[in-house]
Amino acid sequence: GAGVSQSPRYKVAKRGQDVALRCDPISGHVSLFWYQQALGQGPEFLTYFQNEAQLDKSGLPSDRFFAERPEGSVSTLKIQRTQQEDSAVYLCASTIGTSPNNEQFFGPGTRLTVL
Amino acid sequence: AQSVTQLGSHVSVSEGALVLLRCNYSSSVPPYLFWYVQYPNQGLQLLLKYTSAATLVKGINGFEAEFKKSETSFHLTKPSAHMSDAAEYFCAVSVGAGSYQLTFGKGTKLSVIP
Repeated sequence: GAGVSQSPRYKVAKRGQDVALRCDPISGHVSLFWYQQALGQGPEFLTYFQNEAQLDKSGLPSDRFFAERPEGSVSTLKIQRTQQEDSAVYLCASTIGTSPNNEQFFGPGTRLTVL
Repeated sequence: AQSVTQLGSHVSVSEGALVLLRCNYSSSVPPYLFWYVQYPNQGLQLLLKYTSAATLVKGINGFEAEFKKSETSFHLTKPSAHMSDAAEYFCAVSVGAGSYQLTFGKGTKLSVIP
């Protein structure tokens, strides 16, 4: 496909369960971002990868959140011991380069509901 | 640190009327500014971006925005609203440092009344 894809599109987890969210960026895109979008809010930055290197994880809300991009393409966001406040849409975006004016292409998101 | 304020969480306009969505930013360095649109259950799509080349930026679907440094504003306009414009609109800022992540406003939901 030509765009950013994310899976699953919807995830329901019981409080305390671990979840893994996948992002397939556009082929060849160097930069990859994860954002968290709570209901009625704008997306908030979580973490940034340049190829396989995680250069910024300042937005991760706690040590229960972990992200990786081992081969510089697909990325996984893992949330351990999920809490109700983790319920949100998780968006992945990729850009072709590393410039601040590069367009970020967004995936459709994964809607996580923690019961 | 940078921030974005979008005035009005919900704006309603009649079909054919002017669309004006307001965005003010705060940044200690020259910013890059973006407007994204989000349709239900879809990802964000770029409408337009300001990168210092020109203060009046034209985007897709007839939208445009003007960067006004003195007012720290980047309002989005469209002369004539169409039903298909109903969506949520986000203003975002990026600065030329760090990881270039986008800082978003809270969004404005646009309703178009037939």
